[in-house]
Amino acid sequence: GQNIDQPTEMTATEGAIVQINCTYQTSGFNGLFWYQQHAGEAPTFLSYNVLDGLEEKGRFSSFLSRSKGYSYLLLKELQMKDSASYLCAVRDLLDGATNKLIFGTGTLLAVQP
Amino acid sequence: NAGVMQNPRHLVRRRGQEARLRCSPVKGHSHVYWYRQLPEEGLKFMVYLQKENIIDESGMPKERFSAEFPKEGPSILRIQQVVRGDSAAYFCASSPDLGIDTDTQYFGPGTRLTVL
Repeated sequence: GQNIDQPTEMTATEGAIVQINCTYQTSGFNGLFWYQQHAGEAPTFLSYNVLDGLEEKGRFSSFLSRSKGYSYLLLKELQMKDSASYLCAVRDLLDGATNKLIFGTGTLLAVQP
Repeated sequence: NAGVMQNPRHLVRRRGQEARLRCSPVKGHSHVYWYRQLPEEGLKFMVYLQKENIIDESGMPKERFSAEFPKEGPSILRIQQVVRGDSAAYFCASSPDLGIDTDTQYFGPGTRLTVL
């Protein structure tokens, strides 16, 4: 089966650091993505991990452990505009060349002053 | 450099009518994906197309739904005889053919379909 779990909601304070976890169990794996989605808008690409380790991009970092089926997204120096849903997605290669993404339900992050 | 474009942004249909959702990928992208997002749920994959070909339609209902990506023009997701359960946001994404960025799918703003 295909299963991606992430917390439903999180709250953090402006200027702080927050870590959003994602665990996955999928039949195939060829990379893990994090997207940000503001209400009523398109998901926007944040990061991509295919090998174990940490990928850093400005205030955002993403970590992957394939053996544990685990990833996290780390947001530093939180800003009010970071209030959004954060979507964890696994690229599935079960059926060969397909490039489909399997999404978790998303984590709604509320940044408070 | 325009991103993925979808129209209409909002679509209202009565039960039994047809809904046509259009998606123009990023210029130069030849891979298109359709996802559906129900309220309080995650994005669910529906179909993956490459110019004129359906590569993977494992997420698309067998009846009433069809998708195409013709050689010229936008990709179309067509829902015939809509029912209230079809009410959702439908997102299109595209990815390039070659290059270091082939792994990333870029999403459009979505079409919000409401079935009365």
